[in-house]
Amino acid sequence: DVKVTQSSRYLVKRTGEKVFLECVQDMDHENMFWYRQDPGLGLRLIYFSYDVKMKEKGDIPEGYSVSREKKERFSLILESASTNQTSMYLCASSLVGRTIQYFGAGTRLSVL
Amino acid sequence: TQLLEQSPQFLSIQEGENLTVYCNSSSVFSSLQWYRQEPGEGPVLLVTVVTGGEVKKLKRLTFQFGDARKDSSLHITAAQPGDTGLYLCAGVGGGATNKLIFGTGTLLAVQP
Repeated sequence: DVKVTQSSRYLVKRTGEKVFLECVQDMDHENMFWYRQDPGLGLRLIYFSYDVKMKEKGDIPEGYSVSREKKERFSLILESASTNQTSMYLCASSLVGRTIQYFGAGTRLSVL
Repeated sequence: TQLLEQSPQFLSIQEGENLTVYCNSSSVFSSLQWYRQEPGEGPVLLVTVVTGGEVKKLKRLTFQFGDARKDSSLHITAAQPGDTGLYLCAGVGGGATNKLIFGTGTLLAVQP
């Protein structure tokens, strides 16, 4: 079974803090994605990566950056957390050329 | 920007009732997926529909892709409490990375 693991289920941070959300997948998938999930808005793509050190902006990249130094790991970085970044963050991975995405259980981030 | 609107946003029904969830867009998709997300977990793929007019059945769940490949529906017959969750449609937007465009979500609660 594909496993996508997000390092934290819950995080509470202060406004202005630098926040790292980590995601690891164990199936050698080329593509990895970070989404933000808010009620009534579905999943919105923040960034995705199709290879090591490669990244592309999604629909809502403002206030976020990403890092992919190894194929299995994709990190989402909030340079200076703000209250409007309080949300559920989901990581996903997929094989190149395939549309099925496999998701982690999510990290619920609260920025106070 | 491609958008996928789902209706209804919330649905609370009694065990044994039937229901239909709709996923609509003004854009054409090469294929469309349905995911279910249970509390505390990430979305899990239920089905992919590819051909306009296609109907797929998964036990008590029936999925249909519109003839013009712009919309889809999910019908659940005799709902069970285990069907409770967030249902998300996702259109495949095409391109090399096969990014998904997620719908706004339908939260279903089936009361015993």
